[in-house]
Amino acid sequence: AQSVTQPDIHITVSEGASLELRCNYSYGATPYLFWYVQSPGQGLQLLLKYFSGDTLVQGIKGFEAEFKRSQSSFNLRKPSVHWSDAAEYFCAVGPAQGGSEKLVFGKGTKLTVNP
Amino acid sequence: GAVVSQHPSWVICKSGTSVKIECRSLDFQATTMFWYRQFPKQSLMLMATSNEGSKATYEQGVEKDKFLINHASLTLSTLTVTSAHPEDSSFYICSAPRGGAGAQGYTFGSGTRLTVV
Repeated sequence: AQSVTQPDIHITVSEGASLELRCNYSYGATPYLFWYVQSPGQGLQLLLKYFSGDTLVQGIKGFEAEFKRSQSSFNLRKPSVHWSDAAEYFCAVGPAQGGSEKLVFGKGTKLTVNP
Repeated sequence: GAVVSQHPSWVICKSGTSVKIECRSLDFQATTMFWYRQFPKQSLMLMATSNEGSKATYEQGVEKDKFLINHASLTLSTLTVTSAHPEDSSFYICSAPRGGAGAQGYTFGSGTRLTVV
């Protein structure tokens, strides 16, 4: 069964610093990969997704992620963090064509941004 | 873009009563709707998958008789928490895939905060 691991439960960075949130997945084939952000008490907002093609994916709010098949990873990066980026971030894996449409989520990484 | 409207955004109910949560796809047809539950500071756990016109598929450990799911049309799926208890208090989120196997992405509702007192 597919699974998603986000090794870091909580990360604290200073405003303006760079950010990398880690995500590793386990799946039998190349899945669809997603990063979502959730502010407290809110729903999920899609930051970016990878389906195929270029392994470096650009998203909203200045985020990007790189799919590395050899490492089964899809790490999220941002060169300069803003205070408004403080939130919970979830990596998720979905099926490639033909599979069930279920999304499986990692446990999330809480990002705190210090002024 | 595609929108899933989820209502209510929050609800407080007494133990033993039932609560219905609605998710409507506003500008696309949702043949499938996923229902998730999220406890504080935890990830989203898939509860069930509803498909228009057929019975929902529940994940292991989820009580079918407690969490009634109906997907009567291509734009509406509902989750009813029956005989609610305080331990049912949680954040419930729906999500609809677009395109085959979510090829066009997944749209999430804004969530419902349920508090059972």
